[in-house]
Amino acid sequence: QQQVKQSPQSLIVQKGGISIINCAYENTAFDYFPWYQQFPGKGPALLIAIRPDVSEKKEGRFTISFNKSAKQFSLHIMDSQPGDSATYFCAASTENTGNQFYFGTGTSLTVIP
Amino acid sequence: KAGVTQTPRYLIKTRGQQVTLSCSPISGHRSVSWYQQTPGQGLQFLFEYFSETQRNKGNFPGRFSGRQFSNSRSEMNVSTLELGDSALYLCASRWGTVGNYGYTFGSGTRLTVV
Repeated sequence: QQQVKQSPQSLIVQKGGISIINCAYENTAFDYFPWYQQFPGKGPALLIAIRPDVSEKKEGRFTISFNKSAKQFSLHIMDSQPGDSATYFCAASTENTGNQFYFGTGTSLTVIP
Repeated sequence: KAGVTQTPRYLIKTRGQQVTLSCSPISGHRSVSWYQQTPGQGLQFLFEYFSETQRNKGNFPGRFSGRQFSNSRSEMNVSTLELGDSALYLCASRWGTVGNYGYTFGSGTRLTVV
C-alpha cells in the first residue's frame, strides 16, 4: 500500500516558469513532510520540510503548501532553472512509525532553457 | 564536515552470493537508516539502527540484515542474492532517534545481481 502518492511522474517546464509537484497521504498520524531532491548518481538531499501546524513554508524559490484537511501537500519551484532538473521525492513520517520515512514515487523534473 | 560515506559505490554479484555494504554516518550522528531504491518500487525502508540496536525494520525478507558498531558505522548484508535485489542501496544518518526531522543520505551503493 502506497502511503504517499505523488504526481505527476514527470514534468517539463520552461526556464522561469513554476514547477508544481503534488503529494497526498492517508495516515493522519504523519507529522513531518520533507521534500528531497535527487540528481543522477547522488543520494536524495533534503530540500525543504514542513510540519502540519503551518500551511506554508518558503525557502528561497522553493515553497511547500500544506492542506491538512485534504491530506495533501505540494512543492512549488518558482522561477525554475535548468539546474533544478532532478527527481523530486515527497515523504512523510511520524515518530510512531519508528522514524520510518514513506516516500512518494518521485517526479522527474526537466527545465528547458 | 564529511557527509555520509557509503562503500563500495558499485558492486556486481552473482545470484546466490552474499554481499556486505558499508556506511559511515556524519560525525556525531548516531541514527542510521537504510533504504532500497528501485525504478519500480521507489525508496523503501529497510531498517534503522541507533546505539547498535535495530529500532525498526521494513517489510523485507530475512535475507536482508544489518548491524551498527559502537562508532555508529553500519553495515547491511544481503544473503542468497536474487536478481530482484539489484538496486541502489542508500544509507542515511541523523543525530538522534527522538524527534521528527530529516536524514542526510549518502550517494548509495549500486548493486547489480547477475
